[in-house]
Amino acid sequence: NAGVTQTPKFQVLKTGQSMTLQCAQDMNHEYMSWYRQDPGMGLRLIHYSVGAGITDQGEVPNGYNVSRSTTEDFPLRLLSAAPSQTSVYFCASSYMGLAGGPSNEQFFGPGTRLTVL
Amino acid sequence: EDQVTQSPEALRLQEGESSSLNCSYTVSGLRGLFWYRQDPGKGPEFLFTLYSAGEEKEKERLKATLTKKESFLHITAPKPEDSATYLCAVQAALTGGGNKLTFGTGTQLKVEL
Repeated sequence: NAGVTQTPKFQVLKTGQSMTLQCAQDMNHEYMSWYRQDPGMGLRLIHYSVGAGITDQGEVPNGYNVSRSTTEDFPLRLLSAAPSQTSVYFCASSYMGLAGGPSNEQFFGPGTRLTVL
Repeated sequence: EDQVTQSPEALRLQEGESSSLNCSYTVSGLRGLFWYRQDPGKGPEFLFTLYSAGEEKEKERLKATLTKKESFLHITAPKPEDSATYLCAVQAALTGGGNKLTFGTGTQLKVEL
């Protein structure tokens, strides 16, 4: 199992450019999510998906789009990059578990370090 | 709103000097409390999940405990390879966000020889 993979590892964009951050998992997890990590702020949820074809917004969704056409892939799109989107982005996945039941650990990818100039 | 506060922000220990990291939380019904380890330039690595007050879990030199308001990560006789940032996160029982986690800002631990 490769686990959760992310590409690219590093990316530099100019303000206004668009790009897609790729995330894939091979554990057949229903739940996938995107976080950004900024100094002093902890990991914050951008978007998440509870299964193929189903996505929803997290805490900081503005400026980002997602789609989930397969169980394995969950790309994150930056429509028009801004300097405020300079951050490290992590994708995570887990089993959903039963409603009201114990939660399942989330597995994180290695991250994409994005700089917007 | 769910909140997680970790202390201290940074901790420097000598090898073999035991200590504890704190994670205080407020959540609308706790479904799970998670501890992760993060090495520089890498993604968080899962350590423990705790579900209810009084629960304890151990892994090598690490032991996590949980009360109704906080969790502790006890590090016994640490080694330099335990140096990392330790993250705490909670998941609310009545969440509309799937498996949404709320993270603290972490404790940066450095263990010196």
